[in-house]
Amino acid sequence: EVQLLESGGGLVQPGGSLRLSCAISGFTFSSHAMSWVRQTPGKGLEWVSGVSGSGDVTDYADAVKGRFTISRDNSKNTLYLHMNNLRVEDTATYYCAKDLRITVTVILSLSFDHWGRGTPVTVSS
Amino acid sequence: DIQMTQSPSSLSASVGDSVTITCRASQSIDTSLNWYQQKPGLAPKLLISSASSLQNGVPSRFSASGSGTGFTLTINNLQPDDSATYYCQHSYTSPYTFGQGTRLDLK
Repeated sequence: EVQLLESGGGLVQPGGSLRLSCAISGFTFSSHAMSWVRQTPGKGLEWVSGVSGSGDVTDYADAVKGRFTISRDNSKNTLYLHMNNLRVEDTATYYCAKDLRITVTVILSLSFDHWGRGTPVTVSS
Repeated sequence: DIQMTQSPSSLSASVGDSVTITCRASQSIDTSLNWYQQKPGLAPKLLISSASSLQNGVPSRFSASGSGTGFTLTINNLQPDDSATYYCQHSYTSPYTFGQGTRLDLK
C-alpha cells in the first residue's frame, strides 16, 4: 500500500524558516517524480515544486522560487521542502504528492496519483 | 502560466442524476488534463488522467473527455458518496495549475 506522511509544519513568523518532510512507503521511491502542492481556502490548490526521481532536476512555482528548495533522499525514502523567508501568503496546508508515471531523470507531465494527509503551515506574527 | 477555469463553481443534484463539470484551459494542453475529487479534511484523489483515463478503482459512473482547451467530467447515477469538490489540473507544462474547484452537493 502506498503511503505518504508529511511532517514539519507549524507556526512561524514572517521571514522565518521551516523544513517539511514526507516519508514514503509502498512504491519504488526513486522511480517517480514527487511534488509539493499547497492548499488554502482562498487560493485553492497550488503546485509548489517538483523533483525528478533521481533528484537532479527541480522545478518551482514563481511564487516560491528563490525561497523554497525541494530535495529528496532516495536512501531514506524521504522528500523534503526547505522553506525560507516565509511570507504570510505561504500559509497553507502542504501536501506531498507522487507522480503517476515512472520517470527518473526528468520532471514531465505531472499527475498526482497519491497524496499525503497534509501538514499545516501558518506564517503569522 | 496556463489558467484553468471550471464551471459551475457549485451545483446541487439528486441521487441518480447525472452532472457535467466543465474545465477550460487558457491555451491548448492537448489531453494533459487530470480530474481530482476532494472530500472535506482529506487530500485530493486522482479520478482521471490524460483527459479520459479512469484510474483503477474509480467507478465507471465517472467519465471524462476533451482535448485542446475544453474538457468535461461527467458523473452518472450520482451516489451520496459523490458529494465532494472536483478539481481539474493540467499536466502540460510547469506550473501545473489547478482549476478553482466545483463543489457538488447531493440533495
